[in-house]
Amino acid sequence: GAVVSQHPSRVICKSGTSVKIECRSLDFQATTMFWYRQFPKQSLMLMATSNEGSKATYEQGVEKDKFLINHASLTLSTLTVTSAHPEDSSFYICSARGRAYEQYFGPGTRLTVT
Amino acid sequence: QKEVEQNSGPLSVPEGAIASLNCTYSDRGSQSFFWYRQYSGKSPELIMSIYSNGDKEDGRFTAQLNKASQYVSLLIRDSQPSDSATYLCAVLVPNTGTASKLTFGTGTRLQVTL
Repeated sequence: GAVVSQHPSRVICKSGTSVKIECRSLDFQATTMFWYRQFPKQSLMLMATSNEGSKATYEQGVEKDKFLINHASLTLSTLTVTSAHPEDSSFYICSARGRAYEQYFGPGTRLTVT
Repeated sequence: QKEVEQNSGPLSVPEGAIASLNCTYSDRGSQSFFWYRQYSGKSPELIMSIYSNGDKEDGRFTAQLNKASQYVSLLIRDSQPSDSATYLCAVLVPNTGTASKLTFGTGTRLQVTL
């Protein structure tokens, strides 16, 4: 099956710092990648859709200047949480679209902002 | 009306029984349907995709689609305690303007008891 990796799996940072999360599709090329956030016991929330070589499309209510997304290649997308605050603490999950619109999720990054 | 609806559960079935998970969707233009399994604290894992009416079997899993009734289901035969998880129904609606996005249900929590 298709494999999506995500790094780091866990990160603890201080308030005001920035954190970069990498998402890679390991055995397929993904023209479209997605970034989700999930709070405990809540549903997945789509943050943005990124297409290789173009600007990301953000969902309503998601600050594009705070959550910077770069989709530099067909196998790599990055999410940078800038000036993180404790309320940004969450489980961030990337997803890559393969053939037949199947979408595969990375293992997630648990961000804790202190 | 929610776009994708699932009973939140928990659905409790004894080990060895058949677990039946149901999902309804509102957009008749939906073309592709997926079932994901999500263990607590982990990211979703794609377990089934179905695109045409009828049944699709893969091991102990059978997905069923009825577009006329706007209904998707997942059957898990010979349920095992390791099947205990939240099952997410996801529906893809084609979008001519931007990349098509999956719409997720809130998930059904399945508990397989010994």
